[in-house]
Amino acid sequence: GENVEQHPSTLSVQEGDSAVIKCTYSDSASNYFPWYKQELGKRPQLIIDIRSNVGEKKDQRIAVTLNKTAKHFSLHITETQPEDSAVYFCAASNTGTASKLTFGTGTRLQVTL
Amino acid sequence: EPEVTQTPSHQVTQMGQEVILRCVPISNHLYFYWYRQILGQKVEFLVSFYNNEISEKSEIFDDQFSVERPDGSNFTLKIRSTKLEDSAMYFCASRRDSGANVLTFGAGSRLTVL
Repeated sequence: GENVEQHPSTLSVQEGDSAVIKCTYSDSASNYFPWYKQELGKRPQLIIDIRSNVGEKKDQRIAVTLNKTAKHFSLHITETQPEDSAVYFCAASNTGTASKLTFGTGTRLQVTL
Repeated sequence: EPEVTQTPSHQVTQMGQEVILRCVPISNHLYFYWYRQILGQKVEFLVSFYNNEISEKSEIFDDQFSVERPDGSNFTLKIRSTKLEDSAMYFCASRRDSGANVLTFGAGSRLTVL
């Protein structure tokens, strides 16, 4: 089955700096890669996703890149703000009938003033 | 915006007791999921459900677990005889159709087994 590795496990950046979180996946059949933000005690919330037919996607301060050959994808947050502090999870799935998401181990991002 | 709703938000139970966690997926969604998150750990897949049957289940989803869609709206997760290690946050999620990968998660049900 799919295995998703994520690093770093914790990341501390100063407000205004950029943050990068990286994930690798094992199953070449995976073609959908979402990123979720989870605040303490809350549900995972989708912040951005990318499909395997594109290499990069941007949404304001957030971008995701995908390298299918190397089987890795990354989340980039620019101009970080204190409200970006949360745990971020990457995930992977394929477009099978009831495709499940396989999550990475999470990155705790702390944005300091 | 449509939401996945879960009840209860928190349940405390004694080891060996049965618990039922309830979910109401988004009304036009066809695929339903249960995930588990032990405190401080990653979100883990338990089971997927489509067309009134289990599509896939993980190793975690053993004989103590079952799912049911008893009517047109509810989707339940039952744990027959809870163990201490079942203590976790349980998230229900749903997805519209096979062409749409986006999962919408509920707020979760925190299960504490004493």
